[in-house]
Parts: sequence; C-alpha cells; structure tokens
Amino acid sequence: DTGVSQDPRHKITKRGQNVTFRCDPISEHNRLYWYRQTLGQGPEFLTYFQNEAQLEKSRLLSDRFSAERPKGSFSTLEIQRTEQGDSAMYLCASSPLGTSGSHTGANVLTFGAGSRLTVL
Amino acid sequence: QKEVEQNSGPLSVPEGAIASLNCTYSDRGSQSFFWYRQYSGKSPELIMSIYSNGDKEDGRFTAQLNKASQYVSLLIRDSQPSDSATYLCAALIQGAQKLVFGQGTRLTINP
Repeated sequence: DTGVSQDPRHKITKRGQNVTFRCDPISEHNRLYWYRQTLGQGPEFLTYFQNEAQLEKSRLLSDRFSAERPKGSFSTLEIQRTEQGDSAMYLCASSPLGTSGSHTGANVLTFGAGSRLTVL
Repeated sequence: QKEVEQNSGPLSVPEGAIASLNCTYSDRGSQSFFWYRQYSGKSPELIMSIYSNGDKEDGRFTAQLNKASQYVSLLIRDSQPSDSATYLCAALIQGAQKLVFGQGTRLTINP
C-alpha cells in the first residue's frame, strides 16, 4: 500500500484552460474526498464519494468543477475554463467505511500529497 | 459563524514547554473530532482523534473534548522544534460524512 497518490503534483495553466487531476486512494478505502486549500487557510470540502456514488457536493463546487469515480477506485477532478481564483492546492483523501457503530477507522482521512494549481 | 474556529496564531512556545492549541465548533451534534498536523508545503497528517468528553493521551499529545462548551484542545508536552507546524482542528458534521476544518494554528517551537 503506497498511500494516496495524486497526479500531477503541480499544474501551471493559463486562464480559460481546462485541467484534470487524478487521485488513487488507498485500495481498501471506500470513501474518497476532494478538498481545496489556499495559503493560510484550512482545507475546504469540495465533494466526496462512497464507492462510485458521489454523495455530497459543496456549494463551492461551481458548474465548472466536476468529479468522477467511475469504478469506485481512482477519481478525477476536472476544472473547466479555469480562473485565477482557482489557484490552490487540491487535496484528495480517502478513508475506510468503518464498521457500524464503531469510530475505529471511519472518517479518519488519509491525505495525498496534493496537486498544486497555478492559473496565470 | 464558521463551523470550526481556531486562532490562526502564530503561537510561539519555547522548547520543552507545553503548547496549548484550541478549537471551537458550532454544530452541537458533532460527535467526532480530529487534530491534523501540516508541515509547510506538505499535506495534513492525523495526530489524534477524540470522540468522548474528557482527555485522550498519546505520547506527548493530549486531546481534550468538552461537548457542553463545544470546545476541543490539543496539548503538546515537552515541545520540540520538530513540532513547529500548522495544526488543524476538524469536526465531523452531524448527518454528513465530511470533515470540516478550522483555518489552522501556526505553531513555532523556539530552541
């Protein structure tokens, strides 16, 4: 198990271009999360999946943002028509489902190294 | 009101002293709380989780939870320069499966 992998680690793009980030979670983890973090702030929730189902999306996620997890394994986050305000670190995290009634493991997020987006 | 609030710091503590980090949350139904450490340029890593009122100790770290006051804290004993980082408090929002993070407290341990 190599942990949560994100690719690319750094993306520089021009305003108006589309970008896509990929996340490979820990293999036995059912849940996958996307967060965005800007300098001096904590991670902001964007969306999460349980297996292939996208169960919640933040209102921060405008219609320019879309996330998929087609086979319940890796996930992609696409940003269309990027804006300078999209510049941030995009963090992916995964967690196990946990057993019913148990706190053990469930909701304990393991983060990837992040994908830093710079929009010029 | 933010769902999870922390003093952004910076908090400066001499080496060997106790560092005390605080966090308040607004959702009274939150049941699970987490402290993450984030070094500059790195991703957050879990330090402690706490679910019940009272103290939970793990090595030099003690997490404290007071649900009546909606208050979570992290104490770091015998602070080391390697503890210098941003500490993020997170709460699991009731009825959801997402963690909401505070803005983080930047801690500096001075040798």
